[in-house]
Amino acid sequence: GAVVSQHPSWVICKSGTSVKIECRSLDFQATTMFWYRQFPKQSLMLMATSNEGSKATYEQGVEKDKFLINHASLTLSTLTVTSAHPEDSSFYICSADSRTGGSEKLFFGSGTQLSVL
Amino acid sequence: GENVEQHPSTLSVQEGDSAVIKCTYSDSASNYFPWYKQELGKRPQLIIDIRSNVGEKKDQRIAVTLNKTAKHFSLHITETQPEDSAVYFCAASRDSGYALNFGKGTSLLVTP
Repeated sequence: GAVVSQHPSWVICKSGTSVKIECRSLDFQATTMFWYRQFPKQSLMLMATSNEGSKATYEQGVEKDKFLINHASLTLSTLTVTSAHPEDSSFYICSADSRTGGSEKLFFGSGTQLSVL
Repeated sequence: GENVEQHPSTLSVQEGDSAVIKCTYSDSASNYFPWYKQELGKRPQLIIDIRSNVGEKKDQRIAVTLNKTAKHFSLHITETQPEDSAVYFCAASRDSGYALNFGKGTSLLVTP
């Protein structure tokens, strides 16, 4: 299947700093990428939908000024958590729409565990 | 928007027994229903999916059934093994490749 690379896999930062997470589709072009957040022992919650070359669409309750999403190319989307606080500590995971042949169309990155001290 | 309910939240079975996880959804426009297995700290892994034009799909020990009229779908795992222990999520979307709405997950424990 298609491969989605996500970096970093884990990050620890001080409160108030910004953290950038990258999501790359390695062997396909992803017109659309999705960003999810998962708190411990909870489900994956959609944060935003990112379309190449246009502004991201954020889900209700997700602050667009805090979670900056950039999808400048068909293979790269980034999520920047600005002025991170301890409550932002979570597992962030991206997924990309491959639009290729085969039944599976949505591929997940390996996730980023963010810990804000 | 879509609301996906999943039950039970935890499930413990003995090795060799069957496990069943059930989900309901609210949006009649949903047509794609995947099931994911997630181990701690890892990405979700697609284990099986079903589309609304199919009532049942099977892949070895795993099967999924869909009742579109009642808006519910179920995952069935037969002959469970300890390595089946993980958190399982159901999801629903308009079609594959669209944003998924996940259930809250079921923590499955298979004891030897």
